[in-house]
Amino acid sequence: KAGVTQTPRYLIKTRGQQVTLSCSPISGHRSVSWYQQTPGQGLQFLFEYFSETQRNKGNFPGRFSGRQFSNSRSEMNVSTLELGDSALYLCASSPPAVNTEAFFGQGTRLTVV
Amino acid sequence: AQKVTQAQTEISVVEKEDVTLDCVYETRDTTYYLFWYKQPPSGELVFLIRRNSFDEQNEISGRYSWNFQKSTSSFNFTITASQVVDSAVYFCALGDAGNMLTFGGGTRLMVKP
Repeated sequence: KAGVTQTPRYLIKTRGQQVTLSCSPISGHRSVSWYQQTPGQGLQFLFEYFSETQRNKGNFPGRFSGRQFSNSRSEMNVSTLELGDSALYLCASSPPAVNTEAFFGQGTRLTVV
Repeated sequence: AQKVTQAQTEISVVEKEDVTLDCVYETRDTTYYLFWYKQPPSGELVFLIRRNSFDEQNEISGRYSWNFQKSTSSFNFTITASQVVDSAVYFCALGDAGNMLTFGGGTRLMVKP
């Protein structure tokens, strides 16, 4: 069974640009969550999508947005990039039951210069 | 608000030593879930264990064991006879009724040969 796939693995963007990250969950999983990991703030929850609807949202500004497609693939978008957005962005997929284990991808490392 | 504290930021042991990683959590929910994840240098979070708030049984899986004590709000993780391959950052996480995880700051474990 294929794991969670995130693309791209590495990304360098300039301040002010926007970026889109992609996540393909494990087949059959309908919940996709996104996390930001930085040395200063650690792992922080961004949002969760289930059946194309945002079900939970963390405490991030509106520049961070996401969506989920009918095949459960998800994208997250960050607009007007700031230097502080440099981080490892991790996607996790979960089976349909509530609060089972989340399976994480290898992440996208975003560097904003 | 949910909170997870991993007081040990870094632990260094010599191979074959036993090591315990501490995790203390705070929540007002009566139903919650506790997790441990391992993050090797590749960045992917690897699921180790999930425990719900109604199950205080300790668990052993090979060299790994977990001690859940509601009375002290702790969910500690012990590696017996540590190996170099155990070197990684370990995260304790708290889940609510949804799929949102609150992570601790992580403990970096270094196992030296």
